[in-house]
Amino acid sequence: GAGVSQSPSNKVTEKGKDVELRCDPISGHTALYWYRQRLGQGLEFLIYFQGNSAPDKSGLPSDRFSAERTGESVSTLTIQRTQQEDSAVYLCASSRSRTERRYFGPGTRLTVL
Amino acid sequence: RKEVEQDPGPFNVPEGATVAFNCTYSNSASQSFFWYRQDCRKEPKLLMSVYSSGNEDGRFTAQLNRASQYISLLIRDSKLSDSATYLCVVNGGGGADGLTFGKGTHLIIQP
Repeated sequence: GAGVSQSPSNKVTEKGKDVELRCDPISGHTALYWYRQRLGQGLEFLIYFQGNSAPDKSGLPSDRFSAERTGESVSTLTIQRTQQEDSAVYLCASSRSRTERRYFGPGTRLTVL
Repeated sequence: RKEVEQDPGPFNVPEGATVAFNCTYSNSASQSFFWYRQDCRKEPKLLMSVYSSGNEDGRFTAQLNRASQYISLLIRDSKLSDSATYLCVVNGGGGADGLTFGKGTHLIIQP
């Protein structure tokens, strides 16, 4: 079956512009996660959605970052007024529940010039 | 102490050799453990779960030592295609999303 998909695969933007990243989780997966991975670094948790519950936003680095998810479907991560330090790969993952195996999408590589 | 620690490497190993690396975790209440593999510029993918009794999948063996709070991954008869970064992942370690990822150990298999 289809895995987690993300779009765009690559995004180059200018400092100060807003960007929107999209994640399509595996159908039936109630849990969805966003991570950031800077070059040569580990995964940095950003935000977690579980069904219709309020998301856990504790990993968002600043108020320029926000994310939405409608029900158990698509999620979008928005970064406003992008900065050069936002350059990274943004990975989305989904799972049937918080404790089950996590499936990652291919990521969006964001470059802020 | 970091929640999950790994030696970043790189480990340079000749093809056919056996290589092992460990990962330590700080939360004694952690309940489940995984090894993920991440190829260069790709997403992480589950390699294997780690069970209390230890488990083997082909050339790969994972072990858990709860008393010393570490897990290990052993790769026998290493192949060039094993070159990747291996991420130690701990569930129930207190991370907001329920998982804590190590920064990974970089393995390079040399011909």
